[in-house]
Amino acid sequence: EVQLVESGGGLVQPGGSLRLSCAASGFTFSNYWMSWVRQAPGKGLEWVANIKQDGSEKYYVDSVKGRFTISRDNAKNSLYLQMNSLRAEDTAVYYCARDLVGMVRGVIITFGMDVWGQGTTVTVSS
Amino acid sequence: DIQMTQSPSSLSASVGDRVTITCRASQGIRNDLGWYQQKPGKAPKRLIYAASSLQSGVPSRFSGSGSGTEFTLTISSLQPEDFASYYCLQHSSYPRTFGQGTKVEIK
Repeated sequence: EVQLVESGGGLVQPGGSLRLSCAASGFTFSNYWMSWVRQAPGKGLEWVANIKQDGSEKYYVDSVKGRFTISRDNAKNSLYLQMNSLRAEDTAVYYCARDLVGMVRGVIITFGMDVWGQGTTVTVSS
Repeated sequence: DIQMTQSPSSLSASVGDRVTITCRASQGIRNDLGWYQQKPGKAPKRLIYAASSLQSGVPSRFSGSGSGTEFTLTISSLQPEDFASYYCLQHSSYPRTFGQGTKVEIK
């Protein structure tokens, strides 16, 4: 069974740091791009970042650039999100998701996120 | 950034009704669009990919259409388990962006 399990969420003070993890199973993790998506309480979904299979390409939403770092360890089938300088507006449920990106005859094709974890909650508050 | 304008933001419908949700992109995104269903306290679940392809295991009452800037999710006959929130996602360019969501409630 394809599965993603997030962990590492919790309560942190403004300006603090937190590292989220996502453990993948049931598929060849190293073959896929991976994304983080978040959802603030009572709000919609916001894509945060994604990372290529070998970690050589990473993309971020502007609101987290310079503060968050996405990374992965293919040997451990794990995805990470290091979050620094946290703000109240970063309070959200954070989901990891498998991201379908490929290349056909030199052209990048994307199919979005197909498999999602159950989420981990991050609360930034004093 | 590409803005995704989703409408309506909420709707009330009865079991058996036909429901249509629309997403408009601020610029052309080919068919790089997916539709997701989310129930309270749960992770999103993909229903449609590539604008009109049905995700495996999803009931055929769900369908998607459109290309370029205008996209539609249709539920042909609303079932009790379909009361949820729905989101579109464009993955044509970065940053990926979601529509604001549509909450489908019981009339």
